[in-house]
Amino acid sequence: DGGITQSPKYLFRKEGQNVTLSCEQNLNHDAMYWYRQDPGQGLRLIYYSQIVNDFQKGDIAEGYSVSREKKESFPLTVTSAQKNPTAFYLCASSIHKGANEKLFFGSGTQLSVL
Amino acid sequence: AQSVAQPEDQVNVAEGNPLTVKCTYSVSGNPYLFWYVQYPNRGLQFLLKYITGDNLVKGSYGFEAEFNKSQTSFHLKKPSALVSDSALYFCAVRDASNTGKLIFGQGTTLQVKP
Repeated sequence: DGGITQSPKYLFRKEGQNVTLSCEQNLNHDAMYWYRQDPGQGLRLIYYSQIVNDFQKGDIAEGYSVSREKKESFPLTVTSAQKNPTAFYLCASSIHKGANEKLFFGSGTQLSVL
Repeated sequence: AQSVAQPEDQVNVAEGNPLTVKCTYSVSGNPYLFWYVQYPNRGLQFLLKYITGDNLVKGSYGFEAEFNKSQTSFHLKKPSALVSDSALYFCAVRDASNTGKLIFGQGTTLQVKP
């Protein structure tokens, strides 16, 4: 999947628990993104980062947090404040934020609530 | 606001027949349009993009898309469908803020029957 590794493939969250989804890329891309996929709703942007140590909220950031301490890593934490976390989470990257740059996607993490 | 719409939840076609997956868009300014494909439990794979120039864009796996400015459409096409083309297809438009974000349609499931 284009040099982006997401782990784990499946993750289960207990009530009140924070969980962290890993995303690592070896493409030397500047920009990274987290999308949430729900059936019939397409993909919705959670957070994005255009450069190390900087990130911005997307359309549905509430209940999520991220960090970008290294260029190759962009972990997503699903906090207990996210009341409906069950979804398929996709991480993506692009060379930079330019308008004509395509996104490369990881293979996703399926998060479910126990 | 930028948006894309995929009016069909599912498209069914017989193997060997031509296929069309529809997408319409709404943008302010020049549109930057993309098509992605997703196989079950996988990330998205880039198929093709329209930035400027020729209205007929050729992409991966024999797919092409026709940009029609007057109809604000960007339909995905293939002259002869394969069973292996069965997947979920997403149309996307680049966000006007030049942050690199993509706005996705809700997706269309393509079912190619032998």
